[in-house]
Amino acid sequence: AQKITQTQPGMFVQEKEAVTLDCTYDTSDPSYGLFWYKQPSSGEMIFLIYQGSYDQQNATEGRYSLNFQKARKSANLVISASQLGDSAMYFCAMRENSGGSNYKLTFGKGTLLTVNP
Amino acid sequence: GAGVSQSPSNKVTEKGKDVELRCDPISGHTALYWYRQSLGQGLEFLIYFQGNSAPDKSGLPSDRFSAERTGGSVSTLTIQRTQQEDSAVYLCASSPPGLAGLKTQYFGPGTRLLVL
Repeated sequence: AQKITQTQPGMFVQEKEAVTLDCTYDTSDPSYGLFWYKQPSSGEMIFLIYQGSYDQQNATEGRYSLNFQKARKSANLVISASQLGDSAMYFCAMRENSGGSNYKLTFGKGTLLTVNP
Repeated sequence: GAGVSQSPSNKVTEKGKDVELRCDPISGHTALYWYRQSLGQGLEFLIYFQGNSAPDKSGLPSDRFSAERTGGSVSTLTIQRTQQEDSAVYLCASSPPGLAGLKTQYFGPGTRLLVL
């Protein structure tokens, strides 16, 4: 079974509108972290936001917020006031903190976001 | 400050040749990771270093792949007898020690490898 599922291969949003990118995860580890990365066409992976499984509040970083619904095992990324520069591939990733593999990230297949002017 | 750097940025090689990919992590970062991103695929974990030790090499696709890290800093990923299926972007990441290291990994720009 896939550990990280991103069901939207592509998304379109109008400039200045908000957009939600979906991510669901599968783990039995009680301690884990969830990450979102942005990969523009240049190829570099840019860290956006982190949510720990024990964090009580949803993470926010500027225009990025993570809608963490633990019971549903979802960690959707919300981008407010989209900008043309937000057009990129977005990856959701998870790090499981137990079981001796608390270092590697497992990535979803990504969502390609296009912001229209 | 300086981010993770990788060299070369692009590499074209012939099938059967050996290649070396270099990663220079952020200064002070004790953990270093190699990932591979093949066309149309997500990122695949290859190997992790804590200091100079590699506790987990299970992500390396075959025994043609090896990696080392010296001085707790620069790492080299070596692919011997390259095959066309090795064509991919090889990404290196690093993270700081302690709890901060659990909350992010900083990636380099990657090396795009094309095996003809």
